[in-house]
Amino acid sequence: RKEVEQDPGPFNVPEGATVAFNCTYSNSASQSFFWYRQDCRKEPKLLMSVYSSGNEDGRFTAQLNRASQYISLLIRDSKLSDSATYLCVVTLSGTYKYIFGTGTRLKVLA
Amino acid sequence: DVKVTQSSRYLVKRTGEKVFLECVQDMDHENMFWYRQDPGLGLRLIYFSYDVKMKEKGDIPEGYSVSREKKERFSLILESASTNQTSMYLCASSTQGYGYTFGSGTRLTVV
Repeated sequence: RKEVEQDPGPFNVPEGATVAFNCTYSNSASQSFFWYRQDCRKEPKLLMSVYSSGNEDGRFTAQLNRASQYISLLIRDSKLSDSATYLCVVTLSGTYKYIFGTGTRLKVLA
Repeated sequence: DVKVTQSSRYLVKRTGEKVFLECVQDMDHENMFWYRQDPGLGLRLIYFSYDVKMKEKGDIPEGYSVSREKKERFSLILESASTNQTSMYLCASSTQGYGYTFGSGTRLTVV
């Protein structure tokens, strides 16, 4: 079983739609969680950290469910510019390295 | 903003050549990382370093080595390039408690 699993998609949604991605992780000792965004042929960029209490940044909401070992990303009112691959990232307690999911591809259609 | 600079955006090398990929960060970060990214496989950690002259193997270190002589610079070395090392190579840096910042990547083709 992969340490971090994501549905690769693509998720094709119309502009203005709400879309949600889930990411599951296998190690219960996972400590920190992030969502990164990667545009085609570009480097990943930090979108948001994921906190136990959940957090929101404009149209983006991230949630963590430790009991079921998954994190989620909700995007409201999708824009064409949201089209990208979204990477789920997990770190283990006491380590410096991140474990990346393979990403979920989102296409927002006009 | 933290800047992570990779020396080359595109590189073409011949099989058997020794290849150096350079990465420099300007924010005094302790931790630096080298990943490769391949379609369907995602990002895989090659090596990382949490201090000058320190290095740790990642998940796929075979065929690679690294050097960190100065805090701001982390070099990835392909001792004898092979075609299966054709990939996108991404360098990243971080400091405790914060997310990675990536360089813009080096797309290496080995022919």
